[in-house]
Amino acid sequence: DARVTQTPRHKVTEMGQEVTMRCQPILGHNTVFWYRQTMMQGLELLAYFRNRAPLDDSGMPKDRFSAEMPDATLATLKIQPSEPRDSAVYFCASGLGQGQTQYFGPGTRLLVL
Amino acid sequence: SQELEQSPQSLIVQEGKNLTINCTSSKTLYGLYWYKQKYGEGLIFLMMLQKGGEEKSHEKITAKLDEKKQQSSLHITASQPSHAGIYLCGADGAGANNLFFGTGTRLTVIP
Repeated sequence: DARVTQTPRHKVTEMGQEVTMRCQPILGHNTVFWYRQTMMQGLELLAYFRNRAPLDDSGMPKDRFSAEMPDATLATLKIQPSEPRDSAVYFCASGLGQGQTQYFGPGTRLLVL
Repeated sequence: SQELEQSPQSLIVQEGKNLTINCTSSKTLYGLYWYKQKYGEGLIFLMMLQKGGEEKSHEKITAKLDEKKQQSSLHITASQPSHAGIYLCGADGAGANNLFFGTGTRLTVIP
């Protein structure tokens, strides 16, 4: 049963600290997405990759967020330095491209104090 | 920019009752997805609709996309407590690969 996995599931950190979230997409999927979910804004796209190349990261605050795909089995989202307003659930999703279903991971619940 | 509006925002029904959730777009939908989310968990894919007038069913859940491809409905027949959660509709952005989402409908089913 192929699934998107994300680590850690929960993270509590202090303001100013670096946070790294990891995602393992479903094997064979060539598109990876990072979303952020908050009560106020709902689900927002942060960035997405196709064949490991970043296609759009316009949803990310560039000064503190960075997203990479070191290889086809790992996507990372990094926040440095973290701020309380970054507290949210961060989801990774993978798929086979435009018009194809995206499958979501369980999310990383981040709390920045 | 294209937006998705869901209604109602929340819904409380007695077990066994039928219910409908609506998702309306300001522009033509190229692909409409329904997801379910339980608290603390990720989104679970339910169904995808692409053609005007298309209808799909899975167990007791039926989703429809209207002919104009601007509105979709999700209908649950004989609701059960296991149906409780947040239902989100998502749509393909025109010419883009990303999904954008509605605000969600929180469903509570009372046993």
